[in-house]
Amino acid sequence: NAGVTQTPKFQVLKTGQSMTLQCAQDMNHEYMSWYRQDPGMGLRLIHYSVGAGITDQGEVPNGYNVSRSTTEDFPLRLLSAAPSQTSVYFCASSYSAGGGEKLFFGSGTQLSVL
Amino acid sequence: EDKVVQSPLSLVVHEGDTVTLNCSYEVTNFRSLLWYKQEKKAPTFLFMLTSSGIEKKSGRLSSILDKKELSSILNITATQTGDSAIYLCAVDRRWGSQGNLIFGKGTKLSVKP
Repeated sequence: NAGVTQTPKFQVLKTGQSMTLQCAQDMNHEYMSWYRQDPGMGLRLIHYSVGAGITDQGEVPNGYNVSRSTTEDFPLRLLSAAPSQTSVYFCASSYSAGGGEKLFFGSGTQLSVL
Repeated sequence: EDKVVQSPLSLVVHEGDTVTLNCSYEVTNFRSLLWYKQEKKAPTFLFMLTSSGIEKKSGRLSSILDKKELSSILNITATQTGDSAIYLCAVDRRWGSQGNLIFGKGTKLSVKP
């Protein structure tokens, strides 16, 4: 019963490097999303997807790219890492229940950009 | 602009105390309000509230939504050190056929023995 699996758990990048954060869910949820969490800022939505082949921007999309080729996977790509992207990243999947959207989170990726 | 505001931002109490955490919101197309608990890693789901005035309870935790006042409270009675965490409030906004969550900044609760 894996739920939402994120890799890697920790990553250090140099400015200008690119990388992909992986996210997979085994609950057959249509809706998936990526958040970043910074001290004192709460969780902010980067990108989300309402199903395979459909993605859209959230509150802080600049510098990030996503794609959704399957229901299970929703990778987040950093195109050219910047120190401002140092953060903790959470992937989530969700389903609609009881009139609302119930999110399940992955364990997070702590990213440092030097 | 939609926003969710939590108060206080941090709180220190002693074991056995009762605490009340607040969440107020200004969003278009309100769908539901959710509470999450975040310890060291991922937030875990506590409650989802959609109707005003109905209390949700789970053990020592309870929450209620007031849609007239655009707010919710999370109560924790007889606090324990294991309740120490960041408590996040989120509001689900209905966009088309899918919701979208906006989070508050969280309340950091520290329970001292």
